[in-house]
Amino acid sequence: GEDVEQSLFLSVREGDSSVINCTYTDSSSTYLYWYKQEPGAGLQLLTYIFSNMDMKQDQRLTVLLNKKDKHLSLRIADTQTGDSAIYFCAESRRGRGSTLGRLYFGRGTQLTVWP
Amino acid sequence: NAGVTQTPKFRVLKTGQSMTLLCAQDMNHEYMYWYRQDPGMGLRLIHYSVGEGTTAKGEVPDGYNVSRLKKQNFLLGLESAAPSQTSVYFCASSYGGTSGGVSYNEQFFGPGTRLTVL
Repeated sequence: GEDVEQSLFLSVREGDSSVINCTYTDSSSTYLYWYKQEPGAGLQLLTYIFSNMDMKQDQRLTVLLNKKDKHLSLRIADTQTGDSAIYFCAESRRGRGSTLGRLYFGRGTQLTVWP
Repeated sequence: NAGVTQTPKFRVLKTGQSMTLLCAQDMNHEYMYWYRQDPGMGLRLIHYSVGEGTTAKGEVPDGYNVSRLKKQNFLLGLESAAPSQTSVYFCASSYGGTSGGVSYNEQFFGPGTRLTVL
């Protein structure tokens, strides 16, 4: 399909790990991004991964990329109540018909962390 | 650096009224974008610009116009507002540079404008 897909909701208990999944569309996409949106605010880049990597780790965040299945995941270890937000997956497409500079976003996953 | 700023933060319009949303960035970015965000719909691209004096249509351009007269500013206009345009509007900018066709396109977002059309 044409859409970047994510599940809409995820609830976890404080201290557990959260895993947010995303399926993207273009096997030749170069960069894949995770953005975080806190209530009432704009989106902020959380992390990104280049398509020649399988994994990227940054403190509590781990990004896994499965190019064969076009699947991206974001794992947040030791999830805190401050991690409650909407998380967007996005891709930079490189294929025919893509627009240089444009990002294609999923619909966002609302992460709720219960104390 | 202020990054990306948007004015106003909130606005209520009556059907048929017009308004302009202003976006400004101080990062010398070439590319700028306008999105709207509606519950369950994620972000949808309205219009974008790849440089001063250029604009292009995104996914949902109808009912909106844009202008990029200066590199640092990107204006979004609603000529005759409709209730379907009630939404949160986000502006973003990016460097837009490429190397060998590979582009790192981190977009920097403004705080948003919450628009209600009655």
